[in-house]
Amino acid sequence: QQQVKQSPQSLIVQKGGIPIINCAYENTAFDYFPWYQQFPGKGPALLIAIRPDVSEKKEGRFTISFNKSAKQFSLHIMDSQPGDSATYFCAASQYGQNFVFGPGTRLSVLP
Amino acid sequence: DSGVTQTPKHLITATGQRVTLRCSPRSGDLSVYWYQQSLDQGLQFLIQYYNGEERAKGNILERFSAQQFPDLHSELNLSSLELGDSALYFCASSTGTEWDNEQFFGPGTRLTVL
Repeated sequence: QQQVKQSPQSLIVQKGGIPIINCAYENTAFDYFPWYQQFPGKGPALLIAIRPDVSEKKEGRFTISFNKSAKQFSLHIMDSQPGDSATYFCAASQYGQNFVFGPGTRLSVLP
Repeated sequence: DSGVTQTPKHLITATGQRVTLRCSPRSGDLSVYWYQQSLDQGLQFLIQYYNGEERAKGNILERFSAQQFPDLHSELNLSSLELGDSALYFCASSTGTEWDNEQFFGPGTRLTVL
């Protein structure tokens, strides 16, 4: 019940494309759903996060869509650039504790 | 730069040994989290401290222990090391309040057990 599933494992898109990464969770007590971006050799960095009282959140080219009834959330990257090539992790937590991370999606954006 | 510092950056040791990883949180953050990231794996939450007290425990082995000191820096102790303990160990910090969950990650310590 503490698991967060993430797909796809890897993704290749052309520059300007819209990669979509999906995550699903089981624990309905989770109240915070962040996405992290990690470049090789670096620590993860928070990209965008959402709480279950909203269905969508946009920050720049990044959008989270949240479906509470389906217990799913996804990350969309608009107008993707080669510099977006990284590993993306979704996560979930309750009260800022016990963060559970998805296994990650390796995104490659081709020039 | 997240403001979270971790030392050392790299650590190479032998099986059966003990090592200590150090983390200094961002200024003002009271909570520290430790994570393990094995090769091509996701992040496994190990343990969280808030203002010196253990707040949450994840998949932390009994051979591992941690503490947070009065100056809020934290140390992760790994003992009786095994080959499988080779991984990246990340520390993250946050304010620790229920309404502000944003975590800031350090650059990590790469542990290699030979």
